[in-house]
Order: sequence, then structure tokens, then C-alpha cells
Amino acid sequence: EVQLVESGGGLVKPGGSLRLSCAASGFNFIPAWMSWVRQAPGKGLEWVGRIKSKNDGGTIDYAAPVKGRFSISRDDSKDTLYLQMDSLKTDDTAVYYCTTVRWGSAWWLGHWGQGTLVSVSS
Amino acid sequence: EIVLTQSPATLSLSPGERATLSCRASQSVSNYLAWYQQKPGQAPRLLIYDASNRATGVPARFSGSGSGTDFTLTISSLEPDDFAVYYCQQRSNDNTFGQGTKLEIK
Repeated sequence: EVQLVESGGGLVKPGGSLRLSCAASGFNFIPAWMSWVRQAPGKGLEWVGRIKSKNDGGTIDYAAPVKGRFSISRDDSKDTLYLQMDSLKTDDTAVYYCTTVRWGSAWWLGHWGQGTLVSVSS
Repeated sequence: EIVLTQSPATLSLSPGERATLSCRASQSVSNYLAWYQQKPGQAPRLLIYDASNRATGVPARFSGSGSGTDFTLTISSLEPDDFAVYYCQQRSNDNTFGQGTKLEIK
């Protein structure tokens, strides 16, 4: 069974940093493309970024609102995905989900973790 | 940026009824559209991808249709477990979601 467990959320001041982790199990992590999605309280879904497998070049793409501030990485030896968040703004307050990628004619957001809440406030 | 507009914002129906949810794109997304279901306090779940393909384990009462700019998610006969928020997502150009349709019990 696929399991994704996010951790590392919490309260941080504007301008601060936080690193989220996503521990994956139940599937072969090494060839998997992974993604982060966020959801502000009471709002809709917003894609944050995606990382390809190392075999596929390891390319990372980011949504415009987080480009230059957030960084996605992976440790295949630990089956873990990371989201480093710097220069945080109050608008970054959200539940952050990690997801697997499910292939069709394009890549889609397959399995989701339970999410971790990040609150940015002074 | 491609904008997805979902309608209605809220749909009130009874178990056993048919639900029809709409997602309209501001420009053509071909068939690069997915639907997700989110229940309160839970993570979203992929239901439909490539506009009409059911994800693994999704019941046959869920179906997706459409191409270009107009898409529909149909639930043929509502079960109590189906009352949730539904989001569409496009992957034709970058990655955007609709604002969601809340399906509530009448």
C-alpha cells in the first residue's frame, strides 16, 4: 500500500524558513516523479512543484508564486522527498501535501499524503 | 494562465440522484484534464484523468467526459460517501485547478 507521510510543518514568522519532509513507502521511490501541492485554509488546491526521477534527469519545476523561494529535493537512499521553504510570506500559510505522479497522457497527482500545516504569522 | 471555472459552486442532491458537475477552461486543454474528490479533513483523491479515464479503484458510477474547453464529471447514482468537494485540474499549459464544486446532501 502506498503511504506518504509529511512532517516538518509548524508556525514560522514572515521571512523565515522551514523544511518539510515526505517519507514514502509501499512503492519503488527511485523511478517515481513526485510533487508538492498546497491548500490555504478554506481555499482550493494550488500546485507547488514537481521533481522528476534522477533517471529522467531530476528536473524540477515550480509554480510562479514560489519560484526562487522554495526548493524541492529528494533522497532516494531514504525514500524521502523534501520541500525547503525560504523567505516565507503570510500567503504561504497552507496545508502542504506531497503526491506521487500517475501517468496518463500527461502526469497527474496520484497518491496523496495526509498533509502538514504551515502557518506563517508574526 | 488557463483559468478553470467550475459550476455550480454548490450542488444539493439526494442519495440515488444523478450528479452533473461542470468544468470550463478559458482556452482549449485538449483532454489534459483530471478530477479530484476531497472529503472534509482528508487529502484529495484522484478520480478521473485524461478527461475520461477512471483512476484505480474508482467506482464505475463516476465518469468523465469532454474535450477542448468543456468537461463534465457525472456520478450516476449518488452514494452517501460521494458528498464532498470536487476539483478539476488542467495540465495542458502549466498546472491549474478549478475553484471546486461542493456536493452536499439535500
